[in-house]
Amino acid sequence: DTAVSQTPKYLVTQMGNDKSIKCEQNLGHDTMYWYKQDSKKFLKIMFSYNNKELIINETVPNRFSPKSPDKAHLNLHINSLELGDSAVYFCASSQDQGLASEQFFGPGTRLTVL
Amino acid sequence: QKEVEQNSGPLSVPEGAIASLNCTYSDRVSQSFFWYRQYSGKSPELIMSIYSNGDKEDGRFTAQLNKASQYVSLLIRDSQPSDSATYLCAAPTDFNKFYFGSGTKLNVKP
Repeated sequence: DTAVSQTPKYLVTQMGNDKSIKCEQNLGHDTMYWYKQDSKKFLKIMFSYNNKELIINETVPNRFSPKSPDKAHLNLHINSLELGDSAVYFCASSQDQGLASEQFFGPGTRLTVL
Repeated sequence: QKEVEQNSGPLSVPEGAIASLNCTYSDRVSQSFFWYRQYSGKSPELIMSIYSNGDKEDGRFTAQLNKASQYVSLLIRDSQPSDSATYLCAAPTDFNKFYFGSGTKLNVKP
C-alpha cells in the first residue's frame, strides 16, 4: 500500500491555465506538507497543514492555494500558471508538527508549463 | 549563512569504499537532523535521523552529529553502485518546517 500518494504524476499545461494536484496519506499522520523542487533540485517548503489547519505558509504567490478537506488529504490548486511554476511538487506527511517528526514524501508531480 | 548547507559534489568513490557526506547548519535550526536519499526522478526517501551528539549506526549507514562544530555527516560503508544518488540533509525550525541542503550527488563506481 502506498503511504503517501499524489495525482497526477505528470501535468503538462499551457500558461494561464488553472490546475490542481491531489495528495493522500494513509499513515494516520496529523501533518501534511507541500514542497517545490526546482530544476536545480533545491527542495523548498511551501505549506503545511496540521489536522486541517494551515500552519506554514511560506512566501508563495497567492496563485497557489492549498486546501485540506480532512487530515488525510491535502490538495494544491494553482491559478494562472506561469513558466516559472514548472517544477516537481512533492507532498509529505509527518506524525505531527513536533521538531523530531520525520517527514515521508509522496512520489511527486512533475508540472510543466508551456 | 543558509540554514543547512551541503557540498553539491559530485562525490565519486569506488565500490566498497566509505563515502562521507557532510552538512553544516546554522543556529536557526533545531537539533534534529535527517538524511534523505533521492534517486534521479524519484522522491526523497528517509535514511536516518539523528538528534544527539555522537554517532548513530544503521546497517551500512552511520550518521554523526557534532553540535559544537554545527556539523552533521553521513558515512556509507562498503559503498555499492546502488548507493549512487543525491543525498539531502534536512533540519527543522518551528512547526517542523524542514530546511533542506542543496544535496550532494554521490557516484559509486564499479
